[in-house]
Amino acid sequence: EVQLVESGGALVNPGGSLRLSCAASGFTFSNAWMTWVRQAPGKGLEWVGRIKSKSGGGTTDYAAPVKGRFTISRDDSEDTVYLQMNSLKTEDTAVYYCTIGFCIGTSCHWDDAFDVWGQGTMVTVS
Amino acid sequence: QSALTQPASVSGSPGQSITISCTGTSSDVGRYNYVSWYQLHPGKAPKLIIYEVSNRPSGVSNRFSGSKSGNTASLTISGLQAEDEADYFCSSYTGSTSLVLVVFGGGTKLTVL
Repeated sequence: EVQLVESGGALVNPGGSLRLSCAASGFTFSNAWMTWVRQAPGKGLEWVGRIKSKSGGGTTDYAAPVKGRFTISRDDSEDTVYLQMNSLKTEDTAVYYCTIGFCIGTSCHWDDAFDVWGQGTMVTVS
Repeated sequence: QSALTQPASVSGSPGQSITISCTGTSSDVGRYNYVSWYQLHPGKAPKLIIYEVSNRPSGVSNRFSGSKSGNTASLTISGLQAEDEADYFCSSYTGSTSLVLVVFGGGTKLTVL
């Protein structure tokens, strides 16, 4: 069974830092492009950023509101993706989900359709 | 990119059909056939129900269907059931790595009367 489990959410002061983890199982993690999405209380979903697989270049992209403050990394030996969050602001308060797309044959939907999600981890900046 | 525009709420009776709209721009919904829809029940992880405008992942009921015209995508749920009551979000790929690669809608709360 494909599974994603986030951890690391906490209450943190503005300006503080936090690192979230997302442990994956049930699929070949090293081939997957991993994405972080967040949902602020009472708000919609917001794409945070994505890291490609190493074979895909291993590069990262971030949403404008978090660029320069958040960093996504991955450890393929541990099947884990991380979200390092620095200079946290109150508006970063949200449930953070890690998620992945999927492939059908040779057609992969890494960036446009997210098929498996974790249960989310709550980050409160206050 | 701004968030895609969805109605805040829709409602319908069991057995009826409802449609949720998702309006973007020529830079996202209008440009790419990469519109997805997600169902969120409170306290649960989002569930992908439509991808590439109108494709259903394996296991998703054929009561869910998607379409697109111009800058507006739509999700139709036919034969409404009580368990369909949830929040629904659309998303679109934007191809923009300078702002946001994927933009989501604000969400629509579906109430089954």
